[in-house]
Amino acid sequence: SQTIHQWPATLVQPVGSPLSLECTVEGTSNPNLYWYRQAAGRGLQLLFYSVGIGQISSEVPQNLSASRPQDRQFILSSKKLLLSDSGFYLCAWGDRYYGYTFGSGTRLTVV
Amino acid sequence: GQQVMQIPQYQHVQEGEDFTTYCNSSTTLSNIQWYKQRPGGHPVFLIQLVKSGEVKKQKRLTFQFGEAKKNSSLHITATQTTDVGTYFCAGLMKTSYDKVIFGPGTSLSVIP
Repeated sequence: SQTIHQWPATLVQPVGSPLSLECTVEGTSNPNLYWYRQAAGRGLQLLFYSVGIGQISSEVPQNLSASRPQDRQFILSSKKLLLSDSGFYLCAWGDRYYGYTFGSGTRLTVV
Repeated sequence: GQQVMQIPQYQHVQEGEDFTTYCNSSTTLSNIQWYKQRPGGHPVFLIQLVKSGEVKKQKRLTFQFGEAKKNSSLHITATQTTDVGTYFCAGLMKTSYDKVIFGPGTSLSVIP
């Protein structure tokens, strides 16, 4: 069966520090992968999606970037975090026909 | 821009009462998906509706897709404390490829 792993679960980072969040999927090949952000008590905002290795589409201009170095690996990065980057970051795989499976998420607090 | 709205934003019900959340899109949808997020957890896929006027049931949950494919509803009969969480609808826009837009969610509290 397909599983999605996301880490770390919780992260506290100072303003201006770099960020790297990793997501891996097992049990499927060539998945569509997504990074979402959820502000406290709010809905889900799509940040990036990828339909294959090296293929990244950005939905929202910001100081975040994403990379897909391997088929089942999706990485969210930042060179310098801002306070406004705090939130709940969720990786997901899936497609428009069968729905999305989300990872357990990373709660990022920028201080 | 393309938007998906949900009402109400919050709902507090007594255990045993019914609950309904409504989802409305500014544009016609190819499909609508519903997710549930427990407090502190991540969204979990519940169901997908594709056809105009489609109605699907999962035990006490009834999902409906409007005739014009621009609105949807989720109705829970006789709520239980296990129903607590935020319910999101997510619409696949006809003009977008492989992208769904999530509504802001309805947060349900159930008073035992």
